[in-house]
Amino acid sequence: DAKTTQPPSMDCAEGRAANLPCNHSTISGNEYVYWYRQIHSQGPQYIIHGLKNNETNEMASLIITEDRKSSTLILPHATLRDTAVYYCIVGGTSYGKLTFGQGTILTVHP
Amino acid sequence: EAQVTQNPRYLITVTGKKLTVTCSQNMNHEYMSWYRQDPGLGLRQIYYSMNVEVTDKGDVPEGYKVSRKEKRNFPLILESPSPNQTSLYFCASSSLLPEDNYGYTFGSGTRLTVV
Repeated sequence: DAKTTQPPSMDCAEGRAANLPCNHSTISGNEYVYWYRQIHSQGPQYIIHGLKNNETNEMASLIITEDRKSSTLILPHATLRDTAVYYCIVGGTSYGKLTFGQGTILTVHP
Repeated sequence: EAQVTQNPRYLITVTGKKLTVTCSQNMNHEYMSWYRQDPGLGLRQIYYSMNVEVTDKGDVPEGYKVSRKEKRNFPLILESPSPNQTSLYFCASSSLLPEDNYGYTFGSGTRLTVV
């Protein structure tokens, strides 16, 4: 069973920040939070991951709450090309089995 | 360019005719895996491999075989395909080194139809 809960869909205006929430209340101490996205039927694309601290890379920022029971993926300036299904996944390592839930369909509109 | 290459991209075949979907990665990754994606069911792991000659079953291995004779290649074999194996298939690879923890790299997918 997926260990995360995400809203099924979200909208965002182009140029604005997209904040995608994820609940993972049963996360264990050594599990990471990973975010991937899938555009149309392409292969999922890794975005970012984190353990405890907030993380930022060229694509996005990841904010993890202090109790680690939830996190937020932030796309600071969403573009139309960011329209995709976003998956929040918890796992022990980068190479462990990834259990994909249904994800959040993010639609960025002009 | 670092990538995972799957072939073919599209395949239509008949029930019972053996087929192989190839997967190759150029990143020297130890870990490779196959997933299938079906509407309403999401992505499910079929098989994975931690290194050469080391493979293990994922969540939905029935009807599939894999081999890992070389580090870069991880073919998926359907000995006797059936219509319920019609699906979108993805190969993925990842490093086992903590310093290379960048998640999985996925291939572009193989859309298989079994009639």
